[in-house]
Amino acid sequence: GAVVSQHPSWVICKSGTSVKIECRSLDFQATTMFWYRQFPKQSLMLMATSNEGSKATYEQGVEKDKFLINHASLTLSTLTVTSAHPEDSSFYICSARDPGRGTQYFGPGTRLTVL
Amino acid sequence: AQSVTQLGSHVSVSEGALVLLRCNYSSSVPPYLFWYVQYPNQGLQLLLKYTSAATLVKGINGFEAEFKKSETSFHLTKPSAHMSDAAEYFCAVSDQVQGAQKLVFGQGTRLTINP
Repeated sequence: GAVVSQHPSWVICKSGTSVKIECRSLDFQATTMFWYRQFPKQSLMLMATSNEGSKATYEQGVEKDKFLINHASLTLSTLTVTSAHPEDSSFYICSARDPGRGTQYFGPGTRLTVL
Repeated sequence: AQSVTQLGSHVSVSEGALVLLRCNYSSSVPPYLFWYVQYPNQGLQLLLKYTSAATLVKGINGFEAEFKKSETSFHLTKPSAHMSDAAEYFCAVSDQVQGAQKLVFGQGTRLTINP
């Protein structure tokens, strides 16, 4: 199946710093990518929908100024957690839509720990 | 609005026994339904999807699911559990063509396999 990568797989940062997470579709062009957040032993919550070349669409309750999303190319979307705080610690998962297969493929996730 | 309910946050079966994971959905339009599996600290892998074709859908690893409109259900089954099936399973619903747009996930069911 299609492959979606995320980098880094885990990151530890100090409170107040910013962290960038990359999501790449490796063998298809993704016009749409999605960012999810998953708390321990819970389900995935959609944070935002990222469309190549346009502004991301954020879900209700997600701070767009805190979670900056950039989808600059058809194979790369980035999520930047700005001024991170301990409550931002979570597992962040991206997915990319393969228009040819009509299916979303998920990345392996990035575990963020904010000290 | 669409929603998914997974009955049972934790299911435990013996190796070789039948696996049944329950999923009920709510949707005002014809749904597209998915089952994903998540292994610890990993992203999600698509097991199978229903997109209004055959109501009995066969997926990977011997899993299958049956769409029952009258019961608004999409339960996941496997005739004989294997130790490697131990994981978290998520049911999801989408209302977009080919089901590759916004996904709404259930709370997840953790499957434990007893030797």
